[in-house]
Amino acid sequence: DADVTQTPRNRITKTGKRIMLECSQTKGHDRMYWYRQDPGLGLRLIYYSFDVKDINKGEISDGYSVSRQAQAKFSLSLESAIPNQTALYFCATSEGGVNTGELFFGEGSRLTVL
Amino acid sequence: AQSVTQLDSQVPVFEEAPVELRCNYSSSVSVYLFWYVQYPNQGLQLLLKYLSGSTLVKGINGFEAEFNKSQTSFHLRKPSVHISDTAEYFCAVSASGGSYIPTFGRGTSLIVHP
Repeated sequence: DADVTQTPRNRITKTGKRIMLECSQTKGHDRMYWYRQDPGLGLRLIYYSFDVKDINKGEISDGYSVSRQAQAKFSLSLESAIPNQTALYFCATSEGGVNTGELFFGEGSRLTVL
Repeated sequence: AQSVTQLDSQVPVFEEAPVELRCNYSSSVSVYLFWYVQYPNQGLQLLLKYLSGSTLVKGINGFEAEFNKSQTSFHLRKPSVHISDTAEYFCAVSASGGSYIPTFGRGTSLIVHP
């Protein structure tokens, strides 16, 4: 089984719908992240969490919210999806300190907003 | 703030030829550098990392990278590529000023032709 699991892997939805992407991990890491990948733009950080009570905005948090339900679970929500949120979304985990840069990624969730 | 520039969006090369994927970074503090690889329809996985010590770092699948502080570069090299190396490659930088959270470049698509 994968160390970082994302569900769903693919989702097609309509403008205005609420969407939740879920992430669970068995790495035992405190730090979890949500990134968005768009062709030619690389990965951009949406939200990150250093522990269950710590949630922080990344560079592109507008239109998104997150919930850290437990050390192992970190979900991303789009309250009212819009077409420019069509992208590949990745959840990742890491240790702390200088090892923070070594991320462990899930397989990704491809979201299409029509 | 830290940033990463990957100078080539696409690098075509023939099988068994050498390849270099270029990465430059900017940061006002000491940095930690990473290369990740993304195979089609998969998440990212760590190829190699520089945290300290020897500036020549060896990674998986025969890849290596050299940290050059004076040129603020961390170029990725492989002496002889295989078809299976066809993938997207991302350079990332982290630093203490950014809580060690990595910032990613826009990616370089390596295309290996037979």
